Amino acid sequence: NAGVTQTPKFQVLKTGQSMTLQCAQDMNHNSMYWYRQDPGMGLRLIYYSASEGTTDKGEVPNGYNVSRLNKREFSLRLESAAPSQTSVYFCAISAGPGANYGYTFGSGTRLTVV
Amino acid sequence: QKEVEQNSGPLSVPEGAIASLNCTYSDRGSQSFFWYRQYSGKSPELIMSIYSNGDKEDGRFTAQLNKASQYVSLLIRDSQPSDSATYLCAVRGNTPLVFGKGTRLSVIA
Repeated sequence: NAGVTQTPKFQVLKTGQSMTLQCAQDMNHNSMYWYRQDPGMGLRLIYYSASEGTTDKGEVPNGYNVSRLNKREFSLRLESAAPSQTSVYFCAISAGPGANYGYTFGSGTRLTVV
Repeated sequence: QKEVEQNSGPLSVPEGAIASLNCTYSDRGSQSFFWYRQYSGKSPELIMSIYSNGDKEDGRFTAQLNKASQYVSLLIRDSQPSDSATYLCAVRGNTPLVFGKGTRLSVIA
């Protein structure tokens, strides 16, 4: 997954704890995305940032906040973790918001909330 | 709600055969279509993109698009055990990618 770095790779949280998932890219791409992947549910968009300084909600934004810190970094914050947020979280990037751009994914963060 | 539908599988094919994976989508405004491969425990990897009706070939992979029928397919020729993975169909217009739930392919040696 050259170009997109996610940290941490694994995390276990207790219900109610907070944490921030980090995503950084070195491909100078404009658009960044956060997806979650659950068994039987596929990849679902949480939030995205079409360009530096903008963020928008996706399909499942409740319980999350995001920050586009600069062009390279896009973080996802869980303020009060719930067991329903147990999932694999993927950060993805694309060269732009236009239709012809595919995504490059990071290696993922596997989060368990107990 | 934009939807992308795939048969979840598993689709089992013998080594050397052609694997055919199918996808339908609901949004007629969709402009770009992608196939991702995801090995167990790994992240999705882009393997094919297609933007216009017809066929697009890349090595053993052929993507087919029929916008009138809102149908996308991926053919894998000479299937190998290393092709065993989940294949995700993804569709977009000027909004972020919408993914199907994936089809699990198993290539039997």
